[in-house]
Amino acid sequence: QKEVEQDPGPLSVPEGAIVSLNCTYSNSAFQYFMWYRQYSRKGPELLMYTYSSGNKEDGRFTAQVDKSSKYISLFIRDSQPSDSATYLCVPGANAGGTSYGKLTFGQGTILTVHP
Amino acid sequence: EAQVTQNPRYLITVTGKKLTVTCSQNMNHEYMSWYRQDPGLGLRQIYYSMNVEVTDKGDVPEGYKVSRKEKRNFPLILESPSPNQTSLYFCASSLLAGASSPLHFGNGTRLTVT
Repeated sequence: QKEVEQDPGPLSVPEGAIVSLNCTYSNSAFQYFMWYRQYSRKGPELLMYTYSSGNKEDGRFTAQVDKSSKYISLFIRDSQPSDSATYLCVPGANAGGTSYGKLTFGQGTILTVHP
Repeated sequence: EAQVTQNPRYLITVTGKKLTVTCSQNMNHEYMSWYRQDPGLGLRQIYYSMNVEVTDKGDVPEGYKVSRKEKRNFPLILESPSPNQTSLYFCASSLLAGASSPLHFGNGTRLTVT
């Protein structure tokens, strides 16, 4: 079983739609949960950062972590064509065996928002 | 501007011809790392460095070398490239080592080995 499972998509939605991107993980040592966004021909950039369970909102973006079910979500409200990118879910741990100090990248979900 | 700079952006080479991909960061970050990105496999860590003169293997280190003689530079060396090293490579840095310190990525080097 992979440590991080992410639906690769691709996902295609109309402008203005609510987008839900999801991820599951298997390692209970993960405490930090990040979403990176990667535009075509660019490196990934940090989009959202949360610690432990709960919700975090930043503008049109909401990150949600449920550690009890090992489930991570990113919601995008009022999606825009500029949101078209690959979204990577990235959990990490600072304690515990081979996961120490390590970030584990999901495969990424390709999102296209069409006008 | 705070950034991680990789060079070259594109590289085509032949099997066995040694090459170096350079990486430099201007943020005084302690931690630097190299990743390769392949379709269906995501980002996989090749090598990382916690600080100057301290480097360690990541998940896929075979066929690669690195050095960290200065804080800002972290070159990736392929002594004898093979076609299975054809990939998209990213250098990244963070202020500190550890999962709580977000990574800053360069814009990638697309390597083709024929």
